[in-house]
Amino acid sequence: DTAVSQTPKYLVTQMGNDKSIKCEQNLGHDTMYWYKQDSKKFLKIMFSYNNKELIINETVPNRFSPKSPDKAHLNLHINSLELGDSAVYFCASSQEGLADTQYFGPGTRLTVL
Amino acid sequence: AQSVAQPEDQVNVAEGNPLTVKCTYSVSGNPYLFWYVQYPNRGLQFLLKYITGDNLVKGSYGFEAEFNKSQTSFHLKKPSALVSDSALYFCAVRGLDSNYQLIWGAGTKLIIKP
Repeated sequence: DTAVSQTPKYLVTQMGNDKSIKCEQNLGHDTMYWYKQDSKKFLKIMFSYNNKELIINETVPNRFSPKSPDKAHLNLHINSLELGDSAVYFCASSQEGLADTQYFGPGTRLTVL
Repeated sequence: AQSVAQPEDQVNVAEGNPLTVKCTYSVSGNPYLFWYVQYPNRGLQFLLKYITGDNLVKGSYGFEAEFNKSQTSFHLKKPSALVSDSALYFCAVRGLDSNYQLIWGAGTKLIIKP
């Protein structure tokens, strides 16, 4: 009964490769998010997306692109991976209201060699 | 500009003692405030939130938080700490101008010593 799930849990890859991380939520939420947590544990919002709008953090390189096949899924595609992309990536979901809680997936640890 | 500050990188508390993890914020309009906990190698878990009403909010695992509008603070508290409370705690806020996104603090590492 996992509410927000991500695959894979670990991803090790070479510089220059293209990879995807998948996220699914079964909470019926309208909005999904991708976060990056760096080695110092800082959380940085990368994208938020619902069926109306994609909001992109302007600091995110355009090598990162979210893809949503339907309301329950928001995948993260990364082109031309760089060493600095190594981090833990978290997917989250919530309803649209200001008071609504975000629920997080377990994270994907990406290591770029 | 909207912001959240967690002024302590780390808080050390002896088991059984009360604990406080501090959070102050700056947002436009009324704030919506959240606390999350992250255990090692895990995702973030929701603890509690303040929307409106009673300034003392009770949450999971015996935690509570007190909203103080005049001091723009939302400190996390627990009367008696457990070793299992050791984790990373994040405060977050959402205001009118945030585009529904949460503004996150840097996190506070809580260490409970037996």
